[in-house]
Amino acid sequence: EVQLVESGGGLVQPGGSLRLSCAASGFSFRGFWMTWVRQAPGKGLEWVANIEEDGNEEYYVDSVKGRFTISRDNAKNLLYLQINSLRAEDSAVYYCARGRASCSATSCYTRYIDYWGLGTLVTVSS
Amino acid sequence: QSALTQPASVSGSPGQSITISCTGTSSDVGGYNYVSWYQQHPGQGPKLMIYDVSDRPSGVSNRFSGSKSGNTASLTISGLQAEDEADYYCTSYTTSSTLLFGGGTKLTVL
Repeated sequence: EVQLVESGGGLVQPGGSLRLSCAASGFSFRGFWMTWVRQAPGKGLEWVANIEEDGNEEYYVDSVKGRFTISRDNAKNLLYLQINSLRAEDSAVYYCARGRASCSATSCYTRYIDYWGLGTLVTVSS
Repeated sequence: QSALTQPASVSGSPGQSITISCTGTSSDVGGYNYVSWYQQHPGQGPKLMIYDVSDRPSGVSNRFSGSKSGNTASLTISGLQAEDEADYYCTSYTTSSTLLFGGGTKLTVL
């Protein structure tokens, strides 16, 4: 059974940092793209970042570029999201998710997300 | 990049059919057959319902179907049941190598 368990959320002051973790089990972690998606309280879903299987390619939504870093440890089946320079608008539940991608000779396409964790809440407030 | 456009809410009676639209551009919905749909009940994580425009994961009821025409994708739920009441989100791959979600649609079963 695929399981994704996030941790590391909490209350942080504006300008602060957090590292979110996601422990994956039940599948061959190194064989899949991984994704972070967030959802502000009472709002919709927002894709945050992707990382390809080997960790050599990363993609980010414009609003977090330069502040967030997605990474992975395939030996430990762990996905991370380092979030710096936090702003009030970053307050959200952050979901870890497994992506399904297809690749041509020149590009890879994240087609969809097939499994989601339960999320970890990040609250940015003074 | 702006979110894909979905109606804020739709409603239907048990047994009826409803359709939720998801409108984007040629850079996302219209440019790729990589539209997916997710169901989210209050307090829960999202669940994949449709992928690659019209494919259904195993375990998802065949009452759920997807389609696309031009820059607009659609999710149809037939034979509405009380348990279908939830928020529904579409998403699409984009030319920026990113994923773009719709704003979400609240489905109410009357």
